[in-house]
Amino acid sequence: NAGVTQTPKFQVLKTGQSMTLQCAQDMNHNSMYWYRQDPGMGLRLIYYSASEGTTDKGEVPNGYNVSRLNKREFSLRLESAAPSQTSVYFCASTLGQGVNIQYFGAGTRLSVL
Amino acid sequence: AQSVTQLGSHVSVSEGALVLLRCNYSSSVPPYLFWYVQYPNQGLQLLLKYTSAATLVKGINGFEAEFKKSETSFHLTKPSAHMSDAAEYFCAVTPGGTSYGKLTFGQGTILTVHP
Repeated sequence: NAGVTQTPKFQVLKTGQSMTLQCAQDMNHNSMYWYRQDPGMGLRLIYYSASEGTTDKGEVPNGYNVSRLNKREFSLRLESAAPSQTSVYFCASTLGQGVNIQYFGAGTRLSVL
Repeated sequence: AQSVTQLGSHVSVSEGALVLLRCNYSSSVPPYLFWYVQYPNQGLQLLLKYTSAATLVKGINGFEAEFKKSETSFHLTKPSAHMSDAAEYFCAVTPGGTSYGKLTFGQGTILTVHP
């Protein structure tokens, strides 16, 4: 049972380059989320998708775009990476009903030089 | 709007000692509250959750937390620390009801356990 799978695990970019972080879940969850984790700041929500076909901004959406490709997959795109986007990125999913326990992927460590 | 404050970014205890990690929240509606644990280079795992049933919640690995509405607190405790408890711990809040599971996290507390 894979749960939430993120790729890649590590990435180094140069300023201005673009990339897409991939996330897939196999739990038939409705809602999916992208967070970034920075030291001393906890996890901050970038974008979320309450259900297939919908996406909404979270707390820190600037510089990012997302696509809910289907019920399983939710990708995060950096169009023009900046050093301020150096962070650890986590994808999470939840059933979207009731208690809404979130299940997390292992993360993507991104460095922008 | 919801917010979470974790008091103490670092907590250090000896093996066998009591673990107490503090969390205070604010919420305009009755909240659901969670504690997550993150081991090095891993994602977050759920330790326990409060969903308006019993105020004392037991989780995995011997942890428990008590919801105190009057104090707006949800502190995490474990009677006897083990070396394997060393990790970062996050408190999180979400409004009860239809909120699509959006969580607001605290800043995290790094727990160090000394032999």
